[in-house]
Parts: sequence; C-alpha cells; structure tokens
Amino acid sequence: GIQVEQSPPDLILQEGANSTLRCNFSDSVNNLQWFHQNPWGQLINLFYIPSGTKQNGRLSATTVATERYSLLYISSSQTTDSGVYFCAVYGGSNYKLTFGKGTLLTVNP
Amino acid sequence: EAEVAQSPRYKITEKSQAVAFWCDPISGHATLYWYRQILGQGPELLVQFQDESVVDDSQLPKDRFSAERLKGVDSTLKIQPAELGDSAMYLCASSFGGNTEAFFGQGTRLTVV
Repeated sequence: GIQVEQSPPDLILQEGANSTLRCNFSDSVNNLQWFHQNPWGQLINLFYIPSGTKQNGRLSATTVATERYSLLYISSSQTTDSGVYFCAVYGGSNYKLTFGKGTLLTVNP
Repeated sequence: EAEVAQSPRYKITEKSQAVAFWCDPISGHATLYWYRQILGQGPELLVQFQDESVVDDSQLPKDRFSAERLKGVDSTLKIQPAELGDSAMYLCASSFGGNTEAFFGQGTRLTVV
C-alpha cells in the first residue's frame, strides 16, 4: 500500500512564528486531505487538495502531486493551533484513505 | 450542518467482554470508514464500506472484530472478546464516494480493563 511520511514529528514554536509541515507519499494518489486533531480526538478538516495551492486564513496548503508531496503552512501561529496535524491520501482502486503518523505542534505563549 | 454521529463517546469494558460501536454517516454518503487510533499514532483503517459492501477489511482482526452496514446507511463495529490491546480511539468517517472529501465523527474512546 501507499506509504505516507510526515515531518517533522514534533515542532515547538513561539506564538507568532511561522511553520511548514511536510507530507511525502510513496505512490500516485487520487487526492489528499490535511486534518487537525483537536484535544478531544476529533479530526477537523483543514484542506482537501489534490494539487495546487489553497488558503484559509492563516493556513495554506500546497500539493505537488507529480513530486509526491504536500506542504501545510501556518503563519503567525497561535496557542490554539497546537495539536496534531495529519496528512491523508486517497489511493488505489477503492480510494483507500491512508494516514501519516502526524506532526505534533506545540505553540507556546 | 451535517455531521457523522458516533456513540458511545466513551466506553469502559472488561477484558473478554463484547463491545459495540455505532456510526451514522452524513446523509447520502455512500462510503463509510472505520479507523482505530492508538495513542500517539495515526489512524489505521479497519474496514471500508461502499454502500453495504465491504471493499477493504485487510487490517481488520477478523477473529474478534466484525463490522456491518446492512442497509447501506448506519454501521456497527463489534469486538468480541475485547483484549487489553484494543484500548484506543475508534473513528468513523464518511464521504460521497470515490476520492471525495471525508468527514469524521467525534470518535469512541475505548478502555479495556
């Protein structure tokens, strides 16, 4: 199956700093999603992005499908941005949704 | 706003007992996923349904886990007997199908004692 690798595994920032999270995948994919897992465990949709760039407030994402990676940018980080960020890709004939291991982001005041 | 509903939110059960989780997907969503997430790890797919048919259950421990979606709407995931290693968050998600955007429920946190 498709392998999804996220980096870095952990990231600690001061409030106001910018960050870039990376997602690499091992094979061609049909689509890609970024999620933020809240403290109660629910996965919140951030971006649904097979290719190109999308922006939503302080967050943006870029997927370069031909080079098999996606980037999530967080600008002017806030303490509420803390949590785990997951990348997940759709692959195979059944569009199986496969997750990476996540990036744990901690934003300190 | 339409949501994926899961129940219960929390479940504590004793080892060797049976436990069941329920998921009601967003109306009209044909694809339904069950995931297991162990603390500190990413979600792992247990089973994927397209309408009432299983399209992927390659990671489902079939000796103790079962899943059904009889009418192609809501779904039940069962564990019998539960083991200590089954303690995890169980997440349900749904989508219209194919590679359309998936949405997750709030999950069921299972503790086996």
